[in-house]
Amino acid sequence: SQQGEEDPQALSIQEGENATMNCSYKTSINNLQWYRQNSGRGLVHLILIRSNEREKHSGRLRVTLDTSKKSSSLLITASRAADTASYFCATVPTGGGNKLTFGTGTQLKVEL
Amino acid sequence: DAGVIQSPRHEVTEMGQEVTLRCKPISGHNSLFWYRQTMMRGLELLIYFNNNVPIDDSGMPEDRFSAKMPNASFSTLKIQPSEPRDSAVYFCASSQSGEAYGYTFGSGTRLTVV
Repeated sequence: SQQGEEDPQALSIQEGENATMNCSYKTSINNLQWYRQNSGRGLVHLILIRSNEREKHSGRLRVTLDTSKKSSSLLITASRAADTASYFCATVPTGGGNKLTFGTGTQLKVEL
Repeated sequence: DAGVIQSPRHEVTEMGQEVTLRCKPISGHNSLFWYRQTMMRGLELLIYFNNNVPIDDSGMPEDRFSAKMPNASFSTLKIQPSEPRDSAVYFCASSQSGEAYGYTFGSGTRLTVV
C-alpha cells in the first residue's frame, strides 16, 4: 500500500528554474527519504531527514519536514536538464525498523 | 563497490514457466529488500530480510512467489508458475540495518510474462 502521495504528479520547468515537489504521508514516522529514478534505472537515494529535523540541505537540494501536517517538500534549485527524472518520497514508520514505504512519485521534466 | 547487482536485466518467459531473479547486495549491508514496480501500483515491498532472515513477507502476492537468502551475499526471488500479471520491474535493494540508512537499489529486472 502507498504511504505517501506526491504532488504534483508531473512538473515541467525550464532549466535554471527551481522545482518544488510535495509529499504527504499518513502515519507517524522515524524518518523520511527522497529518491530519484531516471527512466529505466533503479532508484538513487538523495537525502534523509529525521522526524526531529525540520530542514536539511544537500547541494542544490533542500528538504523540509512538517510532522504536524505529515508533509515534506523537496526543492531543487537552479535545475538542470540532467535533473529530469521521477522523484519519490519514502517513509520509515515509527517502530517499523528500516522498512521503507514509497509514495507515488513526481515526474520532473527540465527543458533547455 | 559494484553496488547492488541484479540478474538478469531482462526476462521474457511464457505463462506457467518458473522464473528466478537474483540479487547480490552490497558487502556489509545486512538488510535486503525486494520491490516490484508497476504503473498501476507503483513500488510495492514484497519481502525483506535482516541478517539473512525473512522479517516481513506480507507483501508477497501469493504462494506462487518465494524468496530466499541462503547467505549474506545472495538472494533469489522465484515465481512458479508465472502469470502475465506478474509482468513488472523487480528491484532488489540493500542497506545497513537500523532505521537511519538509505537504500541502495539495483538496476532491476524487467520481467515480461507472455
